[in-house]
Amino acid sequence: NAGVTQTPKFQVLKTGQSMTLQCAQDMNHNSMYWYRQDPGMGLRLIYYSASEGTTDKGEVPNGYNVSRLNKREFSLRLESAAPSQTSVYFCAGREGGNQPQHFGDGTRLSIL
Amino acid sequence: QKEVEQNSGPLSVPEGAIASLNCTYSDRGSQSFFWYRQYSGKSPELIMSIYSNGDKEDGRFTAQLNKASQYVSLLIRDSQPSDSATYLCAAHTTGGGNKLTFGTGTQLKVEL
Repeated sequence: NAGVTQTPKFQVLKTGQSMTLQCAQDMNHNSMYWYRQDPGMGLRLIYYSASEGTTDKGEVPNGYNVSRLNKREFSLRLESAAPSQTSVYFCAGREGGNQPQHFGDGTRLSIL
Repeated sequence: QKEVEQNSGPLSVPEGAIASLNCTYSDRGSQSFFWYRQYSGKSPELIMSIYSNGDKEDGRFTAQLNKASQYVSLLIRDSQPSDSATYLCAAHTTGGGNKLTFGTGTQLKVEL
């Protein structure tokens, strides 16, 4: 049981490059989430998917897109990376109802 | 306005003492509350869930919920240096749909 798995763990990009962060879960999570965490800022929600087939914007969606490919997978895409998107990105899943979220190990992304 | 508030700290306690971490929330309809521990450079890890008024104990950890005062706390007994981390409070708010609302976290330092 791997829980919530994020790939890659580290990535360095140049400004303007694109990339997709992958997230997969095997915990029967109906809802999935993408956060970014910057020093002193706490967790900020980028996008979430309440259920398979749906996605919604969070607090800071600009510059990002998401795809809920199936129940297991929720990807985050940066179309044209900017230095302001340098951050640690966490994916999380939640079964629903009053259940907590469970986080992946994170992706550390640097954009030069 | 942030819906879940925490003192950012740092909160320093000596080894063996009780650490008391506090959290307030603004949505009176919130039903579910969670405490996460986050070590530096790591992802948030769920340590406690609480759903009803009163205390819930798990080992050295006790979560306390007072819905009338809109207050959640986490007590750590016999604090150890390994407890040094940032503690995040989260609430499932009625206006939040399928999202949890996180506080910005309290940094705890347990000193030898």
